[in-house]
Amino acid sequence: EAQVTQNPRYLITVTGKKLTVTCSQNMNHEYMSWYRQDPGLGLRQIYYSMNVEVTDKGDVPEGYKVSRKEKRNFPLILESPSPNQTSLYFCASSPRTGNYEQYFGPGTRLTVT
Amino acid sequence: AQTVTQSQPEMSVQEAETVTLSCTYDTSENNYYLFWYKQPPSRQMILVIRQEAYKQQNATENRFSVNFQKAAKSFSLKISDSQLGDTAMYFCAFMKLGIPFNKFYFGSGTKLNVKP
Repeated sequence: EAQVTQNPRYLITVTGKKLTVTCSQNMNHEYMSWYRQDPGLGLRQIYYSMNVEVTDKGDVPEGYKVSRKEKRNFPLILESPSPNQTSLYFCASSPRTGNYEQYFGPGTRLTVT
Repeated sequence: AQTVTQSQPEMSVQEAETVTLSCTYDTSENNYYLFWYKQPPSRQMILVIRQEAYKQQNATENRFSVNFQKAAKSFSLKISDSQLGDTAMYFCAFMKLGIPFNKFYFGSGTKLNVKP
């Protein structure tokens, strides 16, 4: 089954404790992205990747890091989480050509206290 | 920069009736794609419908159809014969074709409640 998986689905942590949210896709997509969803703001792009070892900042990259060492994986790293990073996070992948549809993971609800 | 505006934060509709969700966008691009995504309480983002800007014909998927007005930069979603399962948050999205990356922009969402 074609899918994007994220782990964990829920996470409660404390300020300053490094964490990683994993993302993996099995569709051989070139493009992968991370978004955060906040009430009244829709989805905002954090980082994106065009292919292995090629990443770039989205609209709200501050406080986040990413890496793309393998085509299927695109982890999101919060090295020193703060309460303003409490949000719902989505990973998405899409093909470089074709229908351009983005396939989303199930979301990760992060709470930073 | 591209912007996507959904002016209706929340809407309600009776089961079996028709409802239209509005979306406008701002761009200087001529070639782009527009999408409507549905997010039910499960939080999963599900593609509802897609429209290519170069196509004049409005996209249709079963009970879902769009009214794409390119000159007015408007992309509304019509849901016919509303069902309880249509209760969800709906996001309008604009995709700009680019090198090296196609960039997506999302609206703030419209919460749709379908009432029995």
